[in-house]
Amino acid sequence: AAGVIQSPRHLIKEKRETATLKCYPIPRHDTVYWYQQGPGQDPQFLISFYEKMQSDKGSIPDRFSAQQFSDYHSELNMSSLELGDSALYFCASRPRGQGGEKLFFGSGTQLSVL
Amino acid sequence: GESVGLHLPTLSVQEGDNSIINCAYSNSASDYFIWYKQESGKGPQFIIDIRSNMDKRQGQRVTVLLNKTVKHLSLQIAATQPGDSAVYFCAEPGGADGLTFGKGTHLIIQP
Repeated sequence: AAGVIQSPRHLIKEKRETATLKCYPIPRHDTVYWYQQGPGQDPQFLISFYEKMQSDKGSIPDRFSAQQFSDYHSELNMSSLELGDSALYFCASRPRGQGGEKLFFGSGTQLSVL
Repeated sequence: GESVGLHLPTLSVQEGDNSIINCAYSNSASDYFIWYKQESGKGPQFIIDIRSNMDKRQGQRVTVLLNKTVKHLSLQIAATQPGDSAVYFCAEPGGADGLTFGKGTHLIIQP
């Protein structure tokens, strides 16, 4: 079965650089969520999209932005990277309609800022 | 405010024993819970879910128990195997942020 695809799997950047993370939801899933998980921490909600519109914002820094495209894939853009941005970034998608409470997660992008 | 949380950050069990991971929630109106398993460096994987009209739900080697009176749920893993080693989260869906995650419990399997 198709799963949520994230790319790249690993990313190494220097301070003040920019990074773009991509997420491809499961087909027919119209809602995408982004989470950040620091080492030993619980996932923290960043931002979500429903039908290509931003749905809600969590603890997402102003340096970060995201969007969902017409094919429902989403990109998280991160600028002026800081050491504290090093984390595992997850994307999750949710199916439409009934039974859509479960989120399906990708394998994440491990971002290391040096 | 609402919260979902686990009791212990780490649980160590012998291989072959049963594991019980606990979770407490605060919102008495909560009606749906999900358990996720997260292996190191990977995304959370769905294990099992339960709705509030049930007290118990069983999957393959896993059972979730829900006690609405004390707002507590538990995940039981039978005959724990090395592959069960992971962080386990209980979560409550709802709202635009997708999920409210509880604090994870790291299950460690002793040989």
